[in-house]
Amino acid sequence: GENVEQHPSTLSVQEGDSAVIKCTYSDSASNYFPWYKQELGKRPQLIIDIRSNVGEKKDQRIAVTLNKTAKHFSLHITETQPEDSAVYFCAASWNSGNTPLVFGKGTRLSVIA
Amino acid sequence: DTAVSQTPKYLVTQMGNDKSIKCEQNLGHDTMYWYKQDSKKFLKIMFSYNNKELIINETVPNRFSPKSPDKAHLNLHINSLELGDSAVYFCASSPQSEKAFFGQGTRLTVV
Repeated sequence: GENVEQHPSTLSVQEGDSAVIKCTYSDSASNYFPWYKQELGKRPQLIIDIRSNVGEKKDQRIAVTLNKTAKHFSLHITETQPEDSAVYFCAASWNSGNTPLVFGKGTRLSVIA
Repeated sequence: DTAVSQTPKYLVTQMGNDKSIKCEQNLGHDTMYWYKQDSKKFLKIMFSYNNKELIINETVPNRFSPKSPDKAHLNLHINSLELGDSAVYFCASSPQSEKAFFGQGTRLTVV
């Protein structure tokens, strides 16, 4: 089955700096890669996703890149703000079937004002 | 008009008891899931249902029994609760193995 590795497990940045979180996946059949943000005591919420036919996607300060050959994808947050502090999860799945999302172990991002 | 709702939000119970968590989605999704989030925040799939049919049952003790009366509901019943069952349980739904929408979670504490 799919295995998703995520690094780093914790990340501290100064407000205004960029943050990068990286994930690798094992199953070459996976073709859908979402990122979730989970604030303390809240549910995980989808912030951006990318499919395997696209190499990069951007939404305001958030961008995701995908390298299918290397089987890795990354989340980039620019101009970080204190409200970006949360746990971020990457995930992978094969959306042609009924396979559930397999999550990485999460990255706790702290943005220091 | 919450998309995925689960109840209760908090559940404190003694070892050996049986408890249920309910989940409902009003998004019209065909697929629903139960995830367990442990103290280290790891989100691990437990069950996956598609149109009321069990698709995936990960290595979960048979004390955990999901039930889907219709495709909008997926409940989780747990027998003979153990200390190690303490975690946050999230229900989720998705249109087809993507864009999973999560419920607010149920924090289960077994004492």
